[in-house]
Amino acid sequence: EVQLVESGGGLVQPGRSLRLSCAASGFTFDDYAIHWVRQRPGKGLEWVSGISWNSASVASADSVKGRFTISRDNAKNALYLQMNSLTVDDTAFYFCAKDRSQQLVGRVLDVWGQGTMVTVSP
Amino acid sequence: QSALTQPRSVSGSPGQSVTISCSGTSNDIGFSNYVSWYQQHPGKAPKVMIYDVTKRPSGVPDRFSGSKSGNTASLTISGLQADDEADYYCSSYGNTFPFVFGPGTKVTVL
Repeated sequence: EVQLVESGGGLVQPGRSLRLSCAASGFTFDDYAIHWVRQRPGKGLEWVSGISWNSASVASADSVKGRFTISRDNAKNALYLQMNSLTVDDTAFYFCAKDRSQQLVGRVLDVWGQGTMVTVSP
Repeated sequence: QSALTQPRSVSGSPGQSVTISCSGTSNDIGFSNYVSWYQQHPGKAPKVMIYDVTKRPSGVPDRFSGSKSGNTASLTISGLQADDEADYYCSSYGNTFPFVFGPGTKVTVL
């Protein structure tokens, strides 16, 4: 079964850091670009960051640039999101999602995890 | 604020058809063939319904169809069913970022 499973969410104070993980199974992980997408409570989807199959290309939304870092370990079939200097605006459900493409061309997110909740609060 | 524009809500009776529009610019929908649509039920992860403007993934009913004209893409749901009640998001490849999402449209089955 093709699957993505996120972990690492939780309650954190503003200014602190958190690292999310996404474990992949059921497909050839290093054949595809992978992305993080977040959804604030009651709001819409927001693309956060993406990484190409071989980590050669990465991109992040302006809202997280300089604070969040995406990475992947193809040997472990794992994706990560290091989140630093968190603010209350970062409170959201964070999904990892697989693209059909190897590169960051934004084709389609065809497999999604169930998400992990990050709550930033004093 | 989303770069793409969608109606906040649409509704229809069972069996009817509804169409959701997604308006962008020549920097996203207008120049990209990578337009996709996602369905999200409350508390669930999004699910792709349409990709590459018109293609349906395996398992998605042919009641769902996509199209594009100029800077506007559309998702049509024919033969509306109760389970189609959900939020729908359009997405396009953008000049600056791989994915740009619309704000979402709530589909209500009357």
